Amino acid sequence: QSALTQPRSVSGSPGQSVTISCTGTNSDFGVDDHVSWFQQNPGKAPKLMIYDVTKRPSGVPDRFSGSKSGNSASLTISGLQAEDEADYYCSSYVGRLSWVFGGGTKLTVL
Amino acid sequence: EVQLVESGGGLVQPGGSLRLSCSASGFIFGDYPMNWVRQAPGKGLQWISHINHWGGDISYADSVQGRFAISRDNAGNQLYLQMNNLRDEDTAVYYCVRDIDWKFDFWGQGTLVTVSS
Repeated sequence: QSALTQPRSVSGSPGQSVTISCTGTNSDFGVDDHVSWFQQNPGKAPKLMIYDVTKRPSGVPDRFSGSKSGNSASLTISGLQAEDEADYYCSSYVGRLSWVFGGGTKLTVL
Repeated sequence: EVQLVESGGGLVQPGGSLRLSCSASGFIFGDYPMNWVRQAPGKGLQWISHINHWGGDISYADSVQGRFAISRDNAGNQLYLQMNNLRDEDTAVYYCVRDIDWKFDFWGQGTLVTVSS
């Protein structure tokens, strides 16, 4: 149950696009594409932003998008806004009622 | 409005026990699987336990297997986590998390557990 690998930090200017990667093993991403992304602001609970690789819950802006290829998933935020500055975590259902998270990525909006 | 409110956190000595509770409201609690996820200070998220909607299927992360026990009371809209033989590395904010179709769609605000002598 090792954590998925994410970059420690990424940054971008307002209006730009940034992509956060999430890398695992075959077994981490091999179960039904249940990959999610969460946004966490300081002192707050995580918020679901993307689920099942590409789907957005109601209320999440379409500037947020997800993708997956092989053993890696990605979160792309386009048209970056100051309010997007936060920590972002990926997670994957790995089967047998178990989940694994990434180590988290701090997004800085310059 | 969906609400998940955790309680029961606090300071405990290594080797001690603590029972966390999560009070659910705003949805039909018995229809949803639930989870506990924790976050050590300044660290990332770690899934630690899952229970299905009626309590018959339960799973744990290796790091807590044999020490922690998850349970639920659907009539009282409560989720529990009994934590025994606590270690320093169990220090974290513990979140109660609703689960639907393998995604964690709603999180409580968390309760802090500090294990220290």
